[in-house]
Amino acid sequence: AQKVTQAQTEISVVEKEDVTLDCVYETRDTTYYLFWYKQPPSGELVFLIRRNSFDEQNEISGRYSWNFQKSTSSFNFTITASQVVDSAVYFCALSEALGNEKLTFGTGTRLTIIP
Amino acid sequence: EAGVAQSPRYKIIEKRQSVAFWCNPISGHATLYWYQQILGQGPKLLIQFQNNGVVDDSQLPKDRFSAERLKGVDSTLKIQPAKLEDSAVYLCASSLRFGPYGYTFGSGTRLTVV
Repeated sequence: AQKVTQAQTEISVVEKEDVTLDCVYETRDTTYYLFWYKQPPSGELVFLIRRNSFDEQNEISGRYSWNFQKSTSSFNFTITASQVVDSAVYFCALSEALGNEKLTFGTGTRLTIIP
Repeated sequence: EAGVAQSPRYKIIEKRQSVAFWCNPISGHATLYWYQQILGQGPKLLIQFQNNGVVDDSQLPKDRFSAERLKGVDSTLKIQPAKLEDSAVYLCASSLRFGPYGYTFGSGTRLTVV
């Protein structure tokens, strides 16, 4: 069975600080995908990134970066120079790569950026 | 491209009543999903369609929930009769199988059962 753990329930940081959201996953699959989604107060889930299990390169997109470490089954997300608009709930998710692509979500981390 | 459309946006019903939610996926997306998100939790898959066939409904409470996707496009999720614990946001998503960007989610329907 697949499982995603986001141990940080809530995080608050002051604007312009860097913040890292942790994600640890469990799967028996050798090929899988990892995702991060953002859920702002409006409620929709906004796709941020998808990473294939074979690709362990870290990725940077503007102020966002992701660190994938297969050895520790972690896929952490860092926001650099945080802004108030980053306030949201962030979900890490996992899916099979060759199956039905069902997403297994973590419980989410509520991030609050204090102006 | 237009996003995933869902209606209604909000719904309040009394327990034991019935309710239906509608979803229109992105044009050309063969796969459609319904997820249930209870407050404070991550979304949980209820049912997955590939075109108009069911791929996975293992977590759908079939005694009260039903879903259909006629003609492989729009989908309707129904609850009858509703219970208090069905209060949640119901999210519809669609995907282009093996597409590079994962799912596209709709804005959801927030259901409150009183």
